[in-house]
Amino acid sequence: GAGVSQTPSNKVTEKGKYVELRCDPISGHTALYWYRQSLGQGPEFLIYFQGTGAADDSGLPNDRFFAVRPEGSVSTLKIQRTERGDSAVYLCASSLGGVLTFGAGSRLTVL
Amino acid sequence: GESVGLHLPTLSVQEGDNSIINCAYSNSASDYFIWYKQESGKGPQFIIDIRSNMDKRQGQRVTVLLNKTVKHLSLQIAATQPGDSAVYFCASSNNNDMRFGAGTRLTVKP
Repeated sequence: GAGVSQTPSNKVTEKGKYVELRCDPISGHTALYWYRQSLGQGPEFLIYFQGTGAADDSGLPNDRFFAVRPEGSVSTLKIQRTERGDSAVYLCASSLGGVLTFGAGSRLTVL
Repeated sequence: GESVGLHLPTLSVQEGDNSIINCAYSNSASDYFIWYKQESGKGPQFIIDIRSNMDKRQGQRVTVLLNKTVKHLSLQIAATQPGDSAVYFCASSNNNDMRFGAGTRLTVKP
């Protein structure tokens, strides 16, 4: 596609539920990044894929968070047993190496 | 780990004035730097970038300055316009691992 697409744009869930956030990167971009952004803060690095493999997952806050990119294109960020503190905008970006192009984000609200 | 920070959280300027937004980074191994602009409800958008082998790079109305000695980065916006009002982030990268600072909110007064 022309840009990075993220779905859903908004997700409201209850504490303890499971959530999946999807990112469709720019076609041909080999690198894919997930960031989390809280209100008034900069994007916080979560994980970075180069192709199908996670090149750096040091930003995932705990084992409730997991991300996959099985075919080197679309990626899914999975959050188990959601907590209120997980509420944030989850940003995805892709690149060919260099400038990151961001999607509009998925706003997650955990009640 | 790497940290990237900004000197001022907010900046207010008059329309037509020049704006300067500053940023400090901590990882001396960072070799690539980008300034992003983020408007409400949108993802960050690329403004300008610079590699570590350069000190200055100019774009349309924007200039980025890099001082590797003190690990400082600045964004200069000439003739600031109301449409420039947004939050500006610097990001630094080492081997494609890109990290962001907290951001500066720029407000342009008419």
